[in-house]
Amino acid sequence: AQSVTQPDIHITVSEGASLELRCNYSYGATPYLFWYVQSPGQGLQLLLKYFSGDTLVQGIKGFEAEFKRSQSSFNLRKPSVHWSDAAEYFCAVVFNFGNEKLTFGTGTRLTIIP
Amino acid sequence: EAQVTQNPRYLITVTGKKLTVTCSQNMNHEYMSWYRQDPGLGLRQIYYSMNVEVTDKGDVPEGYKVSRKEKRNFPLILESPSPNQTSLYFCASSSLRRINQQGKNIQYFGAGTRLSVL
Repeated sequence: AQSVTQPDIHITVSEGASLELRCNYSYGATPYLFWYVQSPGQGLQLLLKYFSGDTLVQGIKGFEAEFKRSQSSFNLRKPSVHWSDAAEYFCAVVFNFGNEKLTFGTGTRLTIIP
Repeated sequence: EAQVTQNPRYLITVTGKKLTVTCSQNMNHEYMSWYRQDPGLGLRQIYYSMNVEVTDKGDVPEGYKVSRKEKRNFPLILESPSPNQTSLYFCASSSLRRINQQGKNIQYFGAGTRLSVL
């Protein structure tokens, strides 16, 4: 079955430290991959996307993600986090290009400590 | 400004009282969708629409109805709400046109509607 896994429910990092959020998917082909961020009380904002081509993609707010086909992964990274990065992060995948449905992971809540 | 607008943002209601959550987008998008977000489950698709008068069920359609009479609007209807429909709801839209590779398949989300059914 097609699925998206975010194995970390909650991550705490110090301000200025590096960050990596994990995302794995289960699918036989290469899907479309996305990372969204949800700040408290807000909607979802797209951070970055991967459709094809260069497997390292740059997004907004200094985030990047790397698609690794062999590992079926699309991990999100940031070299130095800021307090304003505290939010919930969702990995999402389009498996079925017919209905455009986004299948979301369960999310990773990021806490930043001073 | 490109927007997906949901109303209301917050709603408290009682079991069985019909309600409608409206969603409107100003980007001339063909595709619109409703998701619900529950703790530990992420977002799950309720219904989607590929264009006017074309709607279909998502993963969790039970207890919901939708309509797409105009391209810009995609209301979510709960005919007889129950407590298990207490959730955070998001509307989203995207372009299906293949001309703009950058814009294709990117879903834009509304700010969400927090619904409590007592």
